Amino acid sequence: GAGVSQSPSNKVTEKGKDVELRCDPISGHTALYWYRQRLGQGLEFLIYFQGNSAPDKSGLPSDRFSAERTGESVSTLTIQRTQQEDSAVYLCASSFSGGFGNQPQHFGDGTRLSIL
Amino acid sequence: RKEVEQDPGPFNVPEGATVAFNCTYSNSASQSFFWYRQDCRKEPKLLMSVYSSGNEDGRFTAQLNRASQYISLLIRDSKLSDSATYLCVVGGGSYIPTFGRGTSLIVHP
Repeated sequence: GAGVSQSPSNKVTEKGKDVELRCDPISGHTALYWYRQRLGQGLEFLIYFQGNSAPDKSGLPSDRFSAERTGESVSTLTIQRTQQEDSAVYLCASSFSGGFGNQPQHFGDGTRLSIL
Repeated sequence: RKEVEQDPGPFNVPEGATVAFNCTYSNSASQSFFWYRQDCRKEPKLLMSVYSSGNEDGRFTAQLNRASQYISLLIRDSKLSDSATYLCVVGGGSYIPTFGRGTSLIVHP
C-alpha cells in the first residue's frame, strides 16, 4: 500500500509569506506526527494528532505555527509570516494507535522549506 | 519531555568490523523501543523494533536493558552501505515517543 505522502517536496518562498504543508498518512493510521529537522540536526517534535485531536501542541515553536487534521486523515501544517529560521525539512509520520507510542512511526519524504 | 541520549559519533570503522551503539533513556516507564536509520538528506526509516528478549535481523541485533535503562544496536560484518545515522526512539507510557539525536556511522573500505 501507499506510504506517507507529503507535499510539496520542496518549497522556496520569501520571508514574510505564509506556507502550507500537507501530509497524507498511511490509510488506517490514527496517529500522526510532525517534526522539523534543520540541516545537520536531530528531529524536533512539533505536534501530534490522535484522530483529529492534538493532545500535545507543546512542540510548536511559536504562534506562527499551526496544524490541523481532518477526517482522521490529511493534516496540514501552516507557518505564517515565515522567517529565515523556519528553513528546514518538515517531516510527517504516522502510526497505528495500539497504545500510546507503542507502534513504530512511518515517515514521509518530507518537505524541504527554504525561506529567502 | 523525557530525554533520550545517544553518542553522536561519528563511529568510523572498516568494512567487516563489528560496531555497537547504545542509547540511554531516563523514563523507567518507557514501553516501546525502536531503531531507525537515516541516510543523508532522507527521511528516517524503521530498522527494527527492540523487544525485551532482544531480537536479531541478519547482521543486526538489538537489545534492551531495563535495569540500566538503555538499548543497544550491534552491527556485524559492516558494509559500506551501513553508513548512515542511527536513531533510537523511546515511547509508550504517557509521553510522546522521543527520538535521540542519532549516532553517525561511517564504514570505510
